[in-house]
Amino acid sequence: AQKITQTQPGMFVQEKEAVTLDCTYDTSDPSYGLFWYKQPSSGEMIFLIYQGSYDQQNATEGRYSLNFQKARKSANLVISASQLGDSAMYFCAMREGGGSNYKLTFGKGTLLTVNP
Amino acid sequence: ETGVTQTPRHLVMGMTNKKSLKCEQHLGHNAMYWYKQSAKKPLELMFVYNFKEQTENNSVPSRFSPECPNSSHLFLHLHTLQPEDSALYLCASSLGREMALYGYTFGSGTRLTVV
Repeated sequence: AQKITQTQPGMFVQEKEAVTLDCTYDTSDPSYGLFWYKQPSSGEMIFLIYQGSYDQQNATEGRYSLNFQKARKSANLVISASQLGDSAMYFCAMREGGGSNYKLTFGKGTLLTVNP
Repeated sequence: ETGVTQTPRHLVMGMTNKKSLKCEQHLGHNAMYWYKQSAKKPLELMFVYNFKEQTENNSVPSRFSPECPNSSHLFLHLHTLQPEDSALYLCASSLGREMALYGYTFGSGTRLTVV
């Protein structure tokens, strides 16, 4: 079974509007972390936002917020006021466990296109 | 500049060639990783090194051979590759106590084409 599921291969949004990118995860570990990365056409993966499994509040970083619904095992990324530069691939990832666990498991990604 | 530098950016090699990918970071990170990114597939973890010691080999074929001479440098030696090995190879690094909050710092990748 996939640990990270991103069901939207592609999404379109108008400039200045908000968009939600979906991510569901599967783990039995009570301690985990969820990440979102952006990958422009240049190839590098850029860290956007992090949510810990024990965090009480949804994470926010500027125009990015994470809609964390623990019971539903979803961690959707919300981008407000979309900009043309937001056009990229977006990946959801999960770290299971704590301590010295250094592995991240990634979803297949969602290609976001922002239209002018 | 991401802090993790990968060279070369692009590589075309024949199936009988031997080549190496290089990754370098001067962020003081202790862990380094190789990931393979193929079209329409999730990123696949290949190898993990922590303080120069290999801690993970994710059933990678022996035609891929990693080397980590120190915590700042990571290589991926390639030989007798197959066309299906064509992909973007991403290097990443992390610092133990920060990884939980910030995940990895990635390089820009090497786009490998096997002909």
